[in-house]
Amino acid sequence: SQQGEEDPQALSIQEGENATMNCSYKTSINNLQWYRQNSGRGLVHLILIRSNEREKHSGRLRVTLDTSKKSSSLLITASRAADTASYFCVPGGGTYKYIFGTGTRLKVLA
Amino acid sequence: DAGVIQSPRHEVTEMGQEVTLRCKPISGHDYLFWYRQTMMRGLELLIYFNNNVPIDDSGMPEDRFSAKMPNASFSTLKIQPSEPRDSAVYFCASSSRMTGDQPQHFGDGTRLSIL
Repeated sequence: SQQGEEDPQALSIQEGENATMNCSYKTSINNLQWYRQNSGRGLVHLILIRSNEREKHSGRLRVTLDTSKKSSSLLITASRAADTASYFCVPGGGTYKYIFGTGTRLKVLA
Repeated sequence: DAGVIQSPRHEVTEMGQEVTLRCKPISGHDYLFWYRQTMMRGLELLIYFNNNVPIDDSGMPEDRFSAKMPNASFSTLKIQPSEPRDSAVYFCASSSRMTGDQPQHFGDGTRLSIL
């Protein structure tokens, strides 16, 4: 298992703008997952991208994966106040022992 | 379907007291995880179970912490005796299947304050 490193640590944007956050990891993976945590709540799984995929969409979310650079990005389009949360990436290597990093704290201003 | 259910949502107690946190995983999920989240250390995996059997408890901080899963629908995390540094939010999560690509479903946590 390995920990992903999210960047930036914090991000503030206006409602309607796009938000991009990045994740880097160190060793090869089978997949990478993104989770969201709203204040006072548990983590919620957003999307999983496999190592043989380069891009994946889910609603307003777009995830890319570049295995050569060992990095992923999460794009949230047309952000809303409800997107205010912390976002975590989890590089997966076939084990259930996920290691969560410190996340990106996104604040969407109305 | 009901998600992962944790109780209590908040617990305030004095140091030295025994604390028991409870978790009901999603029905049919074979894996159950206990995490602790603090500002300083982030989200840490304490222990996880597969089919009610503890698989990895290397994250359990001290012998004061213990976890059990007597059946597929219930798990407890116990701290005895509790200390102020145990104050944190404790999450339970569950997942299905053996492949390491299944999402973990989290409860909303128990916010524990030890005075």
